[in-house]
Amino acid sequence: AQSVTQPDIHITVSEGASLELRCNYSYGATPYLFWYVQSPGQGLQLLLKYFSGDTLVQGIKGFEAEFKRSQSSFNLRKPSVHWSDAAEYFCAVGSFSSNTGKLIFGQGTTLQVKP
Amino acid sequence: EAGVTQFPSHSVIEKGQTVTLRCDPISGHDNLYWYRRVMGKEIKFLLHFVKESKQDESGMPNNRFLAERTGGTYSTLKVQPAELEDSGVYFCASSQDAGVTSYEQYFGPGTRLTVT
Repeated sequence: AQSVTQPDIHITVSEGASLELRCNYSYGATPYLFWYVQSPGQGLQLLLKYFSGDTLVQGIKGFEAEFKRSQSSFNLRKPSVHWSDAAEYFCAVGSFSSNTGKLIFGQGTTLQVKP
Repeated sequence: EAGVTQFPSHSVIEKGQTVTLRCDPISGHDNLYWYRRVMGKEIKFLLHFVKESKQDESGMPNNRFLAERTGGTYSTLKVQPAELEDSGVYFCASSQDAGVTSYEQYFGPGTRLTVT
């Protein structure tokens, strides 16, 4: 069965420190992978996506993610975290077929940023 | 360009009552999706419309949930009668229906439903 695991429910980092949020997926074919962020009171915003090609993808707000097929992972990284990055982050895999395109989400990781 | 909007932002109802949630997708987006997040759990797919047609409703929990998208524009999700376990945040998303861009879903802010 298709699934996404985000092992870390909650992470705290200091402002200016680097960040890595982990995501592992289980999917039978080549996956379409996404990272979304939800700030308080906001909808989910797409940070970046991987469909094919270069396994290191760049996103908005200075985020990047690397697809590693051998590890079934798609970890999100940022070199220097800003206080405004405090939010909940969701990894998702796209289950796309001829008639539907649903996303399968992980449980989310809440990021707290210390001043 | 306006994003996906949802109404209401928050609804509190008693068990047994009826609630209708509304979603307005981004103009021109033929794909419309409903998802739900129950507290402490992951966001789960409910159903997918292409224009006014239900393409996939495999995630709908039971027949107390009815989704419609008359005219292929906005969509409603009705819960009747509501049960305690229906509490959660209901998200709507939309995407274009054009090749790979159809995979990029844009989400609304969600409706928080509390059933007491």
